[in-house]
Amino acid sequence: DADVTQTPRNRITKTGKRIMLECSQTKGHDRMYWYRQDPGLGLQLIYYSFDVKDINKGEISDGYSVSRQAQAKFSLSLESAIPNQTALYFCATSDWTSGGAGELFFGEGSRLTVL
Amino acid sequence: QKEVEQDPGPLSVPEGAIVSLNCTYSNSAFQYFMWYRQYSRKGPELLMYTYSSGNKEDGRFTAQVDKSSKYISLFIRDSQPSDSATYLCAMKDTGGFKTIFGAGTRLFVKA
Repeated sequence: DADVTQTPRNRITKTGKRIMLECSQTKGHDRMYWYRQDPGLGLQLIYYSFDVKDINKGEISDGYSVSRQAQAKFSLSLESAIPNQTALYFCATSDWTSGGAGELFFGEGSRLTVL
Repeated sequence: QKEVEQDPGPLSVPEGAIVSLNCTYSNSAFQYFMWYRQYSRKGPELLMYTYSSGNKEDGRFTAQVDKSSKYISLFIRDSQPSDSATYLCAMKDTGGFKTIFGAGTRLFVKA
């Protein structure tokens, strides 16, 4: 099984619908992140969490919310999806002890299409 | 202007070629310079990283950092079809936690 698991892997939805993307990890890392990947733009940070009680906005948090249900679970919600939220979404984890480079461990991605 | 600039390609080379992938950056506080590799339908994985300036070699891969020019490179020797992937440069400052990614360069190595 993958260390960082995302569900669903693919989702097609309509404008205005509420969508939740879920992430769970078995790496035992405290830090979890949600990124969005668009062609030509790279990975942009949406939200990050350093522990269950810590939630922080990233570069592009508007239109998104998150919930850290446990150390191992971090979910991303789109309260009212719009077409420009069509993208590939990645969950990632890191360990504060992994050194200065802060290696990120990514899930396999959730492809979301908003019609 | 983006903090990290990377040509998205695509870059197509024949098997056995030497590949050069590059990024420029604007933030002089960056000290960690990373290369992630992303295969199709997969998440990125850390390939290698360098702290501050200099070179680092790992098998067929060499990472170079020139802080005076704010320019980093990844060289792949004897490229293989299995090297076909998107390569993302990434950077971070000391003590910070945010990793800033380039757009990624898509590489195709033809057999």
